[in-house]
Amino acid sequence: EAGVAQSPRYKIIEKRQSVAFWCNPISGHATLYWYQQILGQGPKLLIQFQNNGVVDDSQLPKDRFSAERLKGVDSTLKIQPAKLEDSAVYLCASSPNRAPNGELFFGEGSRLTVL
Amino acid sequence: AQSVSQHNHHVILSEAASLELGCNYSYGGTVNLFWYVQYPGQHLQLLLKYFSGDPLVKGIKGFEAEFIKSKFSFNLRKPSVQWSDTAEYFCAVKENSGYSTLTFGKGTMLLVSP
Repeated sequence: EAGVAQSPRYKIIEKRQSVAFWCNPISGHATLYWYQQILGQGPKLLIQFQNNGVVDDSQLPKDRFSAERLKGVDSTLKIQPAKLEDSAVYLCASSPNRAPNGELFFGEGSRLTVL
Repeated sequence: AQSVSQHNHHVILSEAASLELGCNYSYGGTVNLFWYVQYPGQHLQLLLKYFSGDPLVKGIKGFEAEFIKSKFSFNLRKPSVQWSDTAEYFCAVKENSGYSTLTFGKGTMLLVSP
């Protein structure tokens, strides 16, 4: 079974530029998550999708971050414009359950460096 | 909202030493509890989980964790660590109610010296 795919693995941009990350979850997984992991901290949930609907985006900085999952499969996370403090690893995860129990399958992450 | 506290940021052990990593959470209701592990260069993966029943749960690679409800704790243990256990360990908690989110602790970096 293929795992969660993410791209790009690494991205370096200057502040005020934009960046987009892509995620393809495990086939058949209804729930998709984007987490932000800043160095030295645990992953923090940015947004959670159930199929193509948003379940929780309370911690997404909506003035600069956006995410979509148009067909209920793959997803894109965008940052525009980026700030220095956005430097982090962006983790995508998925889970199969309709009412997720917390058991997540993670991708390898996309490491963003903002200069 | 719940919070998760991991007691140590860095732990250094020699091979064959025993391991205990502390984890406490703040939510007073029913929870699902997890330990995730991230080996160097790899993605986060589930080590073990507790939903209900026997509070002592066993995971992969000889790890176990004990849920003590009265102490809001879910400590991770292994009797004898190996060099290959070098990794970052994250405790995570989810309220057992619908679409509540999974909250992670800050992680503990374990370094096992051969």
